[in-house]
Amino acid sequence: QQPVQSPQAVILREGEDAVINCSSSKALYSVHWYRQKHGEAPVFLMILLKGGEQKGHEKISASFNEKKQQSSLYLTASQLSYSGTYFCGTEAEWYGGSQGNLIFGKGTKLSVKP
Amino acid sequence: DAGVIQSPRHEVTEMGQEVTLRCKPISGHDYLFWYRQTMMRGLELLIYFNNNVPIDDSGMPEDRFSAKMPNASFSTLKIQPSEPRDSAVYFCASSFRGVQPQHFGDGTRLSIL
Repeated sequence: QQPVQSPQAVILREGEDAVINCSSSKALYSVHWYRQKHGEAPVFLMILLKGGEQKGHEKISASFNEKKQQSSLYLTASQLSYSGTYFCGTEAEWYGGSQGNLIFGKGTKLSVKP
Repeated sequence: DAGVIQSPRHEVTEMGQEVTLRCKPISGHDYLFWYRQTMMRGLELLIYFNNNVPIDDSGMPEDRFSAKMPNASFSTLKIQPSEPRDSAVYFCASSFRGVQPQHFGDGTRLSIL
C-alpha cells in the first residue's frame, strides 16, 4: 500500500526550515528518501532502518518511528539547490527481514525562493 | 563508475506499435526494478528481479506489458501493442541487495501518439 506524504507542496525562502512526513499502514523494515529535480531521475538521499534511528546528511536529516510507521525528513537552513520533489519509499517487513522492493509516496514538491 | 544505463532516452511512436525499453544495471547489483512515472499516479513499481528472476510483477498494468532479464547485465521492458495511456517516463533502477540504495537510470520518456 502506498505511503502517504505530507504536505503535497511547500514553498520556502532561503534559510527557512521544512519538515516532510511519510506515513505507512504496513509494518516497515526501512524507509528511503529520494529527491528528484525536474526532468531528472530520483537521487538517493538516505535510508533509515527499523530501530528509530535518526540519520543526517549535511543539513538534511531524517527520523523513523517504527511503532507509528512514520518517517520525517528535516531540511534546515534551506538552499536554492534543495528545490525538487522529495519521495519517501517504504520497504515492508517480510518475516522479520526486508521484502526487497520499495513503494513510493506521491512526493512533496519543495520550492526554495531567494 | 558507470551508473544505470537506459535506452532510448526518448521514444515517440504510434499507437499499436511495439515498444522495447532497455536497461543495463550497475555491475554487481543483484536487484533490478522497473518503474513508471506519471503526474497522476506518481512513481509506480511495475516489476522487479532478483538475480535475473522476476520476483513480483503485480504492478504490470496488463498483458501488453512484459519484462525479461536474460542475464545480470541486461533487462528489457516491452509494450505490445502500445496505447496513448502508456505515455510516461519509465525508469530502471538497480541495487545491491534490496535494502540498499536504488540507483536510477536517466529514464525513457515515452510518447504514444
